[in-house]
This record gives sequence, C-alpha cells and structure tokens, in this order.
Amino acid sequence: GIQVEQSPPDLILQEGANSTLRCNFSDSVNNLQWFHQNPWGQLINLFYIPSGTKQNGRLSATTVATERYSLLYISSSQTTDSGVYFCAVGTGANNLFFGTGTRLTVIP
Amino acid sequence: ETGVTQTPRHLVMGMTNKKSLKCEQHLGHNAMYWYKQSAKKPLELMFVYSLEERVENNSVPSRFSPECPNSSHLFLHLHTLQPEDSALYLCASSQNKGDTQYFGPGTRLTVL
Repeated sequence: GIQVEQSPPDLILQEGANSTLRCNFSDSVNNLQWFHQNPWGQLINLFYIPSGTKQNGRLSATTVATERYSLLYISSSQTTDSGVYFCAVGTGANNLFFGTGTRLTVIP
Repeated sequence: ETGVTQTPRHLVMGMTNKKSLKCEQHLGHNAMYWYKQSAKKPLELMFVYSLEERVENNSVPSRFSPECPNSSHLFLHLHTLQPEDSALYLCASSQNKGDTQYFGPGTRLTVL
C-alpha cells in the first residue's frame, strides 16, 4: 500500500496562533482527504484535495501532487480546533491509506 | 452530523460474548466500510461493501463477521473476541468506492 507520513506528530499552540501540518505520500494519488477527529472520536471531513488549493474559513489546504505532499494550514487557532488531524490518500477506486495523524492541542 | 450513525457508542464485552455493531447511512451512498482504530496506529481498513457485495476483506480474523443487508445498513458481528480487539470501530460510507468517505461517530469497544 501507499505510505503516508504526517508531521509533526504533536503540536501545541497558543490560541490565536497559526500552524502548518504536512502530509507526505509515497506514490501518485488521485484521492486525498484531510480529516479532523475530535476528542470524542468523530472524524469530520475537512477537504477533498487531490491537487490544488482550497480554503474553508480559517482552514486551507494545498496539495502538490507532482511532489507528493499536502499541507493543511490553520489560522487564528481556537481551542475547538484541538484533536487529531489525519491525511488519507488513495488511487482510483482503491481504498484510502491513512497517516498516523498530527495531535493538535490549542491552549487558551 | 455526517449522515452516518453508529450504535452502540460504547460496548464492554467478555471474551465469550456475542455482540453486534450497527451502522446506518442516510446519504444514499453505495459503498460502506468498517475501520479499526487502535491507539498509536493508523486507521486499519477491515471490510468494504459496494452495492451490498463484500469487495474487500483485509485479512481480518473470522471472529469478526460483517453483514450488509441493504445499501443503508452495515453490521459487524463479534464473537469470542480477544482483549487486543479493544479499539474504536468506525463505519464510513461513500457515493461509490473510491469517493469521499464520511464517517460515523464510532463504537468504542472494550474486551475484558
């Protein structure tokens, strides 16, 4: 399967700070999703972004498919942003391969 | 609310018990998935159903038995589990296999 590496594994931010999370993958993909898992275990879709750049409020994501990485930007972080952020990639109708996540803690 | 529900949310069972996890999606999707999430490990895909037909079984032990009676419902039947099976079990659905996946809230399973 495709190898997915996320960095950093853990991140602590002061409320209001900005951050960048990275996802590297080992093969060409045509499916890439970013998820946020809240402290209760719920996985929420953030972006479907196999290439290009998307923005949704304080979050944005960029995928450079030719260089096999994606970045998730969080601006003006809030305590509700805390949780684990997962990157998952796939090819065609094949399944998603998940990274081990970045655990984000935002402190007031 | 993602349109995918799971019950129960928490389950504690002994190694000799038989229980079932239920997943229901209200999105009109054709594909459904079971994942296992253990501490410090990536999500592991267990089973994939597409149009009610099992299309993947990722070397999951036979003590886990999936069932998909229709495109909206997915079950995971459990019997004679081991303590190492304790984990968060997540259900997901997508329009078709390979499309964007939407997850349920999960069932946190503890095997004593």
